[in-house]
Amino acid sequence: AQSVSQHNHHVILSEAASLELGCNYSYGGTVNLFWYVQYPGQHLQLLLKYFSGDPLVKGIKGFEAEFIKSKFSFNLRKPSVQWSDTAEYFCAVNPYGGATNKLIFGTGTLLAVQP
Amino acid sequence: NAGVTQTPKFQVLKTGQSMTLQCAQDMNHNSMYWYRQDPGMGLRLIYYSASEGTTDKGEVPNGYNVSRLNKREFSLRLESAAPSQTSVYFCASSSSIGTLMNTEAFFGQGTRLTVV
Repeated sequence: AQSVSQHNHHVILSEAASLELGCNYSYGGTVNLFWYVQYPGQHLQLLLKYFSGDPLVKGIKGFEAEFIKSKFSFNLRKPSVQWSDTAEYFCAVNPYGGATNKLIFGTGTLLAVQP
Repeated sequence: NAGVTQTPKFQVLKTGQSMTLQCAQDMNHNSMYWYRQDPGMGLRLIYYSASEGTTDKGEVPNGYNVSRLNKREFSLRLESAAPSQTSVYFCASSSSIGTLMNTEAFFGQGTRLTVV
């Protein structure tokens, strides 16, 4: 079955530290890839997306992600986190070629940034 | 610009009661989704609809039914609520060509459901 793995369940950083959150998926075909963020008490908002083209994708609020097809990975990075980045982050994959379209989420990474 | 609208925002049910969660989108999207979110488990797909008139099961469909009433609306029904269905429910929509999305999914504000 198709799945998405986020290996970091809970990350604690100090302000100005660099961030990298891992995301791996299990599907050998064409995929669309997404990172969403959920601030406390709110719904999911898109950080960035990859459909095709340059595998290094830039999103909002200084976030970026790199699609490495050979590693089935789409890791999220930010050079310097802020307290306001405290949130839960979800990786999601849309695999192409199945019977119908799906959007599959990972279990999420809870990021706490300490001032 | 409303986007995806879900009702209600909060609901408390007794075990065995039924209810319908409503979702509507105004972006002319063909695909719609229902997810549940539980701590430590991320978002799990309950049902999805690739187009008006079609619905398919996701990862956790048991205990739920859905209706794609028209292109705008996709409702989720709990026929006999159980405490295990206590969760936050999110509706989402996207545009797609075949099985490949060509927009991101846009999410509603969520429904916090408690079954006692």
